[in-house]
Amino acid sequence: GDSVTQMEGPVTLSEEAFLTINCTYTATGYPSLFWYVQYPGEGLQLLLKATKADDKGSNKGFEATYRKETTSFHLEKGSVQVSDSAVYFCAPGNAGGTSYGKLTFGQGTILTVHP
Amino acid sequence: SQTIHQWPATLVQPVGSPLSLECTVEGTSNPNLYWYRQAAGRGLQLLFYSVGIGQISSEVPQNLSASRPQDRQFILSSKKLLLSDSGFYLCAWSFATETQYFGPGTRLLVL
Repeated sequence: GDSVTQMEGPVTLSEEAFLTINCTYTATGYPSLFWYVQYPGEGLQLLLKATKADDKGSNKGFEATYRKETTSFHLEKGSVQVSDSAVYFCAPGNAGGTSYGKLTFGQGTILTVHP
Repeated sequence: SQTIHQWPATLVQPVGSPLSLECTVEGTSNPNLYWYRQAAGRGLQLLFYSVGIGQISSEVPQNLSASRPQDRQFILSSKKLLLSDSGFYLCAWSFATETQYFGPGTRLLVL
């Protein structure tokens, strides 16, 4: 079945540092790929997505590129802020195109950014 | 625009008591609906999903059940709660684009 492997964490950075959170997946076909973010005590929010190979999703300074060859979707940000402290989830979609649109979530990576 | 609501926000229940969590979606029709549980503030476990009224699929065997009595209403229930049912319960909706939109969650503590 589909699976996703995400950088374990926790990740602790100083403000303005460069961030990379690795994500690789296994899937049949070519699923859409998502990153979600969860701020303390809240539900998940869509951060960015990419729907086909070589697409780059971007939002709030975060970027991730759909790498079909390496089945990866690593999240990056050039300069993190304290407000980026949250849990980040990688989630490949259902490449089979079934109507229920199931996602497979990684275990999440806790990011803490210090001033 | 679409919005998703969950209530209650927080719930403390004794072991053996019943449970009913509600999720409603506004501003859309015939969405796919999902219930997730998040334990220890980390990974998400898909519990149930629904593609239409009265259509429920269970992902894992457990002490919980789900129902969809109306198009935009999704209910998570239990007849007798266990300690292991404690967690953060998240409802989500989507269309065929697969992007799922999450509610604010319900934090359940079973004592």
